[in-house]
Amino acid sequence: GIQVEQSPPDLILQEGANSTLRCNFSDSVNNLQWFHQNPWGQLINLFYIPSGTKQNGRLSATTVATERYSLLYISSSQTTDSGVYFCAVVGGGADGLTFGKGTHLIIQP
Amino acid sequence: KAGVTQTPRYLIKTRGQQVTLSCSPISGHRSVSWYQQTPGQGLQFLFEYFSETQRNKGNFPGRFSGRQFSNSRSEMNVSTLELGDSALYLCASSYQGASLEQYFGPGTRLTVT
Repeated sequence: GIQVEQSPPDLILQEGANSTLRCNFSDSVNNLQWFHQNPWGQLINLFYIPSGTKQNGRLSATTVATERYSLLYISSSQTTDSGVYFCAVVGGGADGLTFGKGTHLIIQP
Repeated sequence: KAGVTQTPRYLIKTRGQQVTLSCSPISGHRSVSWYQQTPGQGLQFLFEYFSETQRNKGNFPGRFSGRQFSNSRSEMNVSTLELGDSALYLCASSYQGASLEQYFGPGTRLTVT
């Protein structure tokens, strides 16, 4: 099946810093989503982005499908941005979402 | 629109018992998928239901089963519980299937003792 690798696994930043999270995938995808998991476990949708670029406030994402990677940018980080960020894809076999292991982001005041 | 809802939110069961979890999708969504999250294995796909039919299945034993009703609500059942089934079970809904944006519920945290 399709493989998803996220980097870095852990990231510690000061409030106000910018960050870039990367997601590499091993095959063509029909769906790529970025999620933020809150402390209670719920996955919050950030972007649905199988290709192209999107922006939502301080967050933006880019997926280059031909090169099989996606980037999530967080600008002017706030402590509330802390948590685990997941990239998930659906490959051509159209099984469910395959998740990466996540990036654990800690924003220090 | 109301989001995806899951009941119960927390559950404690004993080894050997069975459990049923429930998921109500976003109104108008016909696809419901289930996922298991554990510290060791991360987030893994269990199965997807669409129009009351199981359309896709992940790599889980037959003890894990599900169904979908005509109103798109879905239930997941785990029989003969094992300690390793302790996990957060997440349900996701989408309009037509896995290739479209999926929205997750708050999850059911199952503890098997």
